Amino acid sequence: DQQVKQNSPSLSVQEGRISILNCDYTNSMFDYFLWYKKYPAEGPTFLISISSIKDKNEDGRFTVFLNKSAKHLSLHIVPSQPGDSAVYFCAASAVSNFNKFYFGSGTKLNVKP
Amino acid sequence: EPEVTQTPSHQVTQMGQEVILRCVPISNHLYFYWYRQILGQKVEFLVSFYNNEISEKSEIFDDQFSVERPDGSNFTLKIRSTKLEDSAMYFCASRDTGLVQETQYFGPGTRLLVL
Repeated sequence: DQQVKQNSPSLSVQEGRISILNCDYTNSMFDYFLWYKKYPAEGPTFLISISSIKDKNEDGRFTVFLNKSAKHLSLHIVPSQPGDSAVYFCAASAVSNFNKFYFGSGTKLNVKP
Repeated sequence: EPEVTQTPSHQVTQMGQEVILRCVPISNHLYFYWYRQILGQKVEFLVSFYNNEISEKSEIFDDQFSVERPDGSNFTLKIRSTKLEDSAMYFCASRDTGLVQETQYFGPGTRLLVL
C-alpha cells in the first residue's frame, strides 16, 4: 500500500544551492499534502502544506509545488543551509477523511557546507 | 511552546510480553494519533482517536493493539503480546481541531525493541 512514494532515499546538495525533494502519489482522492522534517531522535515537525486548489505555496525559503495531473509534488529549499540536513517526509490526506495521513518513506537531505 | 511528550524513550521487551507506550498530547488538542516507523521504512499510520473512541485505524492495528485515554491527559498505546516485527519507533501526534489544515504535532517517539 504505497500510496505516497518518495523515490529518492537521499539527496546531497551544496550550501546555498537549491534542494528539490520529490513526492508522487497514486490516490486521486488526496487533496491535502504536507511536508515534515525529521531530525534524528526527534518526531517529525511540520514544515509546509498545500491543498489541491493551489499549485504553489511558499513560506520563506520553502516552496511546495503541486502538479495534480501528474500526481506529483515537490519541495524546494532555496538557499539550502547545513541546518536543513534532515529526513523529509511527504504526507497526504483527503479532506473527506483527515483522520488518516499517508506518509512517504522519506528523503535524507545532506547540505554540505 | 507546548509539545507532545512520550515515555519511555526506549523500551526493550521479550516477545509475547505486553507493552504500554505513553503519550501526553498538547493540552487543548482533541485529536490523537499513533504512528510507527520500522527502521529505514516509511512512517505508517496506526490509529486516530477522537471523543474517546477510535476514528480510524489501519490494517496494522489488529486485535493486539489498543488505545486508551485513561485520565484526560495521557493517551496510551498497548500491544498485548509483542512480536519481533513490532520493533519500531512509535510516534504519538495530536491536533487541535478537525480541520485538515490544522497540522499534527508529533512527539519524539518511543523506540521499541522486541527480542
